[in-house]
Amino acid sequence: GVSQNPRHKITKRGQNVTFRCDPISEHNRLYWYRQTLGQGPEFLIYFQGTGAADDSGLPNDRFFAVRPEGSVSTLKIQRTERGDSAVYLCASSSWDSLYGYTFGSGTRLTVV
Amino acid sequence: GESVGLHLPTLSVQEGDNSIINCAYSNSASDYFIWYKQESGKGPQFIIDIRSNMDKRQGQRVTVLLNKTVKHLSLQIAATQPGDSAVYFCAGDSMDTGRRALTFGSGTRLQVQP
Repeated sequence: GVSQNPRHKITKRGQNVTFRCDPISEHNRLYWYRQTLGQGPEFLIYFQGTGAADDSGLPNDRFFAVRPEGSVSTLKIQRTERGDSAVYLCASSSWDSLYGYTFGSGTRLTVV
Repeated sequence: GESVGLHLPTLSVQEGDNSIINCAYSNSASDYFIWYKQESGKGPQFIIDIRSNMDKRQGQRVTVLLNKTVKHLSLQIAATQPGDSAVYFCAGDSMDTGRRALTFGSGTRLQVQP
């Protein structure tokens, strides 16, 4: 499946954090979503291969994601704010199933 | 605008009864819809999908109905079991915006009473 780590991250406001996503190996599409309590996942960014095909969901320039070799992706948040607290979900899909997402269990970020 | 939303935040049913979870969407250009199930501490899990050229699709114990006229989607679960307790999300694509990613609704929590 899709593996994410860490599962939980508690950080102080102003610190930087990095999350990792290992997608299903044969999937070439990778997505990051953010989910707050009681809400559905909110789109952040989508990769096809190594390139970010759509990063229009990133809320501001403190958020940055890469997928340098077309497999593992990292999502970085700089100068965290309390409003960044959420579960960050990664999903992947294959070339022949655009919306056939397989989600990871997510990384729960708490900014204190 | 492009939004997908749900009528009720919580649905409580008795074990063995049928459940119906509803979803309204606003993007008439959406071509593809999916229902996901999310259990506590886990990521969403695919249940069933439907394309806009269909009005009904059946899976194992689940049926999705699509009414494009009123932009309404529903998920029917037959003979609901305790293991069905979870939050259910509908999601739709946004092809008219060029975004090749799903937009999710806010979810309905299904509670199955034994």
